[in-house]
Amino acid sequence: EDKVVQSPLSLVVHEGDTVTLNCSYEVTNFRSLLWYKQEKKAPTFLFMLTSSGIEKKSGRLSSILDKKELFSILNITATQTGDSAVYLCAVEAKSAGGTSYGKLTFGQGTILTVHP
Amino acid sequence: DVKVTQSSRYLVKRTGEKVFLECVQDMDHENMFWYRQDPGLGLRLIYFSYDVKMKEKGDIPEGYSVSREKKERFSLILESASTNQTSMYLCASGSGGNTDTQYFGPGTRLTVL
Repeated sequence: EDKVVQSPLSLVVHEGDTVTLNCSYEVTNFRSLLWYKQEKKAPTFLFMLTSSGIEKKSGRLSSILDKKELFSILNITATQTGDSAVYLCAVEAKSAGGTSYGKLTFGQGTILTVHP
Repeated sequence: DVKVTQSSRYLVKRTGEKVFLECVQDMDHENMFWYRQDPGLGLRLIYFSYDVKMKEKGDIPEGYSVSREKKERFSLILESASTNQTSMYLCASGSGGNTDTQYFGPGTRLTVL
């Protein structure tokens, strides 16, 4: 059974701090790892990672994947109150036939609270 | 811009009622998904569909069924709602392929009394 574990489950910081969110996984036939941000609405896509060691970056957010150690981190630098959200990590696996329908297994999420 | 819409944002039903949750996407995506989200448990996949009239069970299909008669529409059905089905239900769609990602609807918060 595919499994995704995120840590910490919750985090409280002040504006300007840098945070690192962790995601470890166990999956058969790994295809990709995805990060989403969820405020009080639908999760919105942040990053998709398929290759080890290649950092993906978008503004103050960055993420990297380690396929040998089976984990990913999401970094947020110079946090702002607008970064307060639940951050979701998910993995996608290929089926036995090698295809994928985009079926994702999610972690529990990390609740990030950024105080002014 | 991808749009996934769900029929209701909030819904209150009584135990034993039949409940329909509808999801519509406007991007001609092949794949559609239904999740429920509960505190501390993250998103859990109930059912997904990779084509019209095709469906596959996810991780927690018990107590649910689905229908996909048209490509853009994917319905989740609770045949006889129970209190343990009180949850946030999220629909998503995706195109498949190497660059697939899922786009989520706003969610339906269902309360079963």
